Amino acid sequence: QKEVEQDPGPLSVPEGAIVSLNCTYSNSAFQYFMWYRQYSRKGPELLMYTYSSGNKEDGRFTAQVDKSSKYISLFIRDSQPSDSATYLCAMSGEYGNKLVFGAGTILRVKS
Amino acid sequence: DAGITQSPRHKVTETGTPVTLRCHQTENHRYMYWYRQDPGHGLRLIHYSYGVKDTDKGEVSDGYSVSRSKTEDFLLTLESATSSQTSVYFCAIRPQGENTEAFFGQGTRLTVV
Repeated sequence: QKEVEQDPGPLSVPEGAIVSLNCTYSNSAFQYFMWYRQYSRKGPELLMYTYSSGNKEDGRFTAQVDKSSKYISLFIRDSQPSDSATYLCAMSGEYGNKLVFGAGTILRVKS
Repeated sequence: DAGITQSPRHKVTETGTPVTLRCHQTENHRYMYWYRQDPGHGLRLIHYSYGVKDTDKGEVSDGYSVSRSKTEDFLLTLESATSSQTSVYFCAIRPQGENTEAFFGQGTRLTVV
């Protein structure tokens, strides 16, 4: 079983929809949770970063962490065609050692 | 930009030849990582480094070695390239402490024929 599970999609939504992307994990030592966006043939870029449980909002993006359920989510409001990309969740333990990624979810926003 | 440069950006090599990929950072960050990315597998950790001469294996380290003789450079070597090592390779850097986001380079596309 992988440490981090993420549905690869693709997820196809109409422009303006609310998008929900999710990851589950098995390692209770994970403390830091990140979401990356990756456009085709580019390196991943950091979208959101949260520490421990709770919510964090940045513009149209909201990240949620539920450590009791070992479940994290990224919500995108008012989705745009420019949001079409692969979204990767990532997480690590306390001391910045291994950074483990999910497989990535392909998102397509149709205009 | 996070001050990461990967070289080369593209390479085609023959089976059995040695290949070295370079990751160079200007941020003086402690942690450096090498990942490979393949369809359906996401980013898989090959090796990482937590300081000069301090390295450890990731989940897919077989067939790869690394070296870090200076803070700014992290080298990934394929001793004898195989077709299964055709992939896109990403380097990432990460500081220690509260600010633990990782920043990625633009990737190296390696084809082994």
